Amino acid sequence: DVKVTQSSRYLVKRTGEKVFLECVQDMDHENMFWYRQDPGLGLRLIYFSYDVKMKEKGDIPEGYSVSREKKERFSLILESASTNQTSMYLCASSPGALGKLFFGSGTQLSVL
Amino acid sequence: SQKIEQNSEALNIQEGKTATLTCNYTNYSPAYLQWYRQDPGRGPVFLLLIRENEKEKRKERLKVTFDTTLKQSLFHITASQPADSATYLCALVGDSSASKIIFGSGTRLSIRP
Repeated sequence: DVKVTQSSRYLVKRTGEKVFLECVQDMDHENMFWYRQDPGLGLRLIYFSYDVKMKEKGDIPEGYSVSREKKERFSLILESASTNQTSMYLCASSPGALGKLFFGSGTQLSVL
Repeated sequence: SQKIEQNSEALNIQEGKTATLTCNYTNYSPAYLQWYRQDPGRGPVFLLLIRENEKEKRKERLKVTFDTTLKQSLFHITASQPADSATYLCALVGDSSASKIIFGSGTRLSIRP
């Protein structure tokens, strides 16, 4: 069965800390995505990657960076966490052709 | 800029009735449109996909329409059940493998017994 695994379900960090959110998929998918979800704002795309070492900015990339060194792993990095980055973060993957997304369970990040 | 609107934040209907959810978009020409279901505390789960050259798609009690002239998709759940209560999201997908996928803010559907 298809699986997208996010390393942490809940995470609490301090303002200014560097934060790593990890995502692993076991489906050999080309594309991987990072979204954040906030009440009333829906899912907003932060970054996506369509191949190893390739990345594209989404709609809200400011304050974030990503890394895709291996096909199965896509990491989201908050270089210096701020309180407005408190959110639910969702990772997803998709095969290149159809774009049907498979999501992880999400990481609820709180920045204090 | 690209914009997707799901015009009802919440929809409350009686069990057995048909639920109809709306997704409108502007400044985008998607190759196809998708619908997802999301339960509280979980990631969205894919339901249906409809291509730009398709008018209608069905899957069991679900039906999706896609009107590229109106820039609108309708999502129907017939014979609704309390278990259908969830948030439903529409998503637009571009025509290349490197396209980003953008989502509406969702409609929270509640089916009362």
